[in-house]
This record gives sequence, C-alpha cells and structure tokens, in this order.
Amino acid sequence: EVQLLESGGGLVQPGGSLRLSCAASGFTFSSYAMSWVRQAPGKGLEWVSAISGSGGSTYYADSVKGRFTISRDNSKNTLYLQMNSLRAEDTAVYYCAKATKSIAARQSFDYWGQGTLVTVSS
Amino acid sequence: EIVMTQSPATLSVSPGERATLSCRASQSVSSNLAWYQQKPGQAPRLLIYGASTRATGIPARFSGSGSGTEFTLTISSLQSEDFAVYYCQQYNNWPPRFGQGTKVEIK
Repeated sequence: EVQLLESGGGLVQPGGSLRLSCAASGFTFSSYAMSWVRQAPGKGLEWVSAISGSGGSTYYADSVKGRFTISRDNSKNTLYLQMNSLRAEDTAVYYCAKATKSIAARQSFDYWGQGTLVTVSS
Repeated sequence: EIVMTQSPATLSVSPGERATLSCRASQSVSSNLAWYQQKPGQAPRLLIYGASTRATGIPARFSGSGSGTEFTLTISSLQSEDFAVYYCQQYNNWPPRFGQGTKVEIK
C-alpha cells in the first residue's frame, strides 16, 4: 500500500524558514517523480514544485522560485521542501504527491499525503 | 501559462441523479487532463487521468471525456459519498495547473 506522510509544518514568522518532509513507503521511491502541492485555507490547489525520480531535475512555480528548494533522499525514501523567506501568502496545507513516472513532466498525481499545515504569521 | 476554468462553481444534485462537470483550458492540453475529488479535511484523490481513463479503484459511475480545450466529468448516478469538490488539472505544459473547483452539493 502506497503511503505518504508529511511532517514539519507549523507556525513561523514572516521571513522565517521551515523544512517539510514526506516519508514514502509501499513503492519504489526512486522510480517516481514527486511534487509538492499546496492549498491555502478555503482555496483551491496550487502546484508548488516537482523533482524527478533521480533528483536530477527540479521545477518550481514562479511564486516560490528562489525561495523554496525541493530535494529527495532516495536512500531514505524521503522528499523534502526547504522553505525560506516565508510570506503570509505561503500559508497553506502542503501535500506531497506521487507522479506516475520517473520524469516530472506531463504527470498527474496518483497518490497524495494527508498534508501538513504551514502558517506564516507574526 | 494555461488557465483552467471549471463550471459551474457549485452544482446541486439529488442522490441518484446524473452530474456533469465542465473544465475548459485556455489552450490545447491534448488529453493530458486529470480529475480529482476532495472531501473536507482530506487529501485530493485521483479519479481520471488521460482525460478518460479511470484510476485504480474508481467506480464505473465516474467517466471523463474530451480533448484539446474542453473536458467533462460525468457521475452517472450520484451516491452520498460523491458529494465533494472536484478539480481538473492539466499536465501538458509547465506549470501543472488546477481549475478552481466545482462543489457538488446535495439538492
């Protein structure tokens, strides 16, 4: 059974940093691209970042480019999102999502974690 | 960037009735279109990918159609567990984009 378990969310002040983790199990982690997708309170879904199965290719939404860094440790079956220079508009539930292939491009997301809430406020 | 527009924003349907949800892309996305269901407090669940292929374990009452810029999700006979928000997502171009969602509520 595929499982994705996010952690690391919490309350942080504007300008602060946070690192999210997503522990994966039930599939060959290195064979699949992964993404982070967020959802602001009461709003829709916004794709944030993606990484290929090997970790060699990364992609970012314009809204987070230069502030967020996606990475993965295939030996630990874990996906990360380092978030710096956080803003109030980054407040959201952050989901990790599994792609259907190892490349990040042209992928839907067949499994999602339960999400972790990030609140940016003073 | 491609803009995804869903209609209607809210759909009121009685249990057992048919529901038809629409999704329009601002430019062609070929058949690279997915549909997700999200219930309150839960993560999204993949229903349809490739515009018309049901994901694993998805009941046959869910069907998808369309290509290019116009897509439809049909729920043939609404069950109580189907009342939720539905999102379409294009994955033909970067960045992947979601529609704003259609809420299917009990009439």
